[in-house]
Amino acid sequence: DTGVSQNPRHKITKRGQNVTFRCDPISEHNRLYWYRQTLGQGPEFLTYFQNEAQLEKSRLLSDRFSAERPKGSFSTLEIQRTEQGDSAMYLCASTLSRVNSPLHFGNGTRLTVT
Amino acid sequence: QQQVKQSPQSLIVQKGGISIINCAYENTAFDYFPWYQQFPGKGPALLIAIRPDVSEKKEGRFTISFNKSAKQFSLHIMDSQPGDSATYFCAASKAGNTGKLIFGQGTTLQVKP
Repeated sequence: DTGVSQNPRHKITKRGQNVTFRCDPISEHNRLYWYRQTLGQGPEFLTYFQNEAQLEKSRLLSDRFSAERPKGSFSTLEIQRTEQGDSAMYLCASTLSRVNSPLHFGNGTRLTVT
Repeated sequence: QQQVKQSPQSLIVQKGGISIINCAYENTAFDYFPWYQQFPGKGPALLIAIRPDVSEKKEGRFTISFNKSAKQFSLHIMDSQPGDSATYFCAASKAGNTGKLIFGQGTTLQVKP
């Protein structure tokens, strides 16, 4: 069990640029989640996948955000035309689709939009 | 109805003391209540979780107390150590989708040596 892996750890970009983050979940986990955490706040749910299907998206996920999980393994989160308000820690997490299965988080990608 | 309210926002405890963090929820459909610990620059790590069919769960120095009628639950850290200094988050979800968590605002704990 190597844990949830996220890359890059840090990303600095200029406003208006596109960015893409990658998440590799724990290998046997079929559910994958994306969260956003701003300074001093708890993580907020963005979206989740079961295998390759995206099952739910939060209202927080604007049209500039898109997530994919091709083949039900790794996932990518893309933000188009970044804004300063997008600056946050983006956390990926995974679990099994089983009652009471614990959620395991990665160490996140810290995005700074200048 | 989706909120989870956490208090206090910050807490300072002497080494060896008991740290107590409280949470309250509104949605009675929630039936899975975990606590996460987060160190700076790291993702949240699961500490302990409880279902509403039990009133207390203990793992090592960490205990969750649950009051279903009051819709409240709390984390007790016994014999607090400087290494416990971190931010703690309570959360809630439905047991069928434990990944879709509603988090509290967090409590920053400092344990003084």
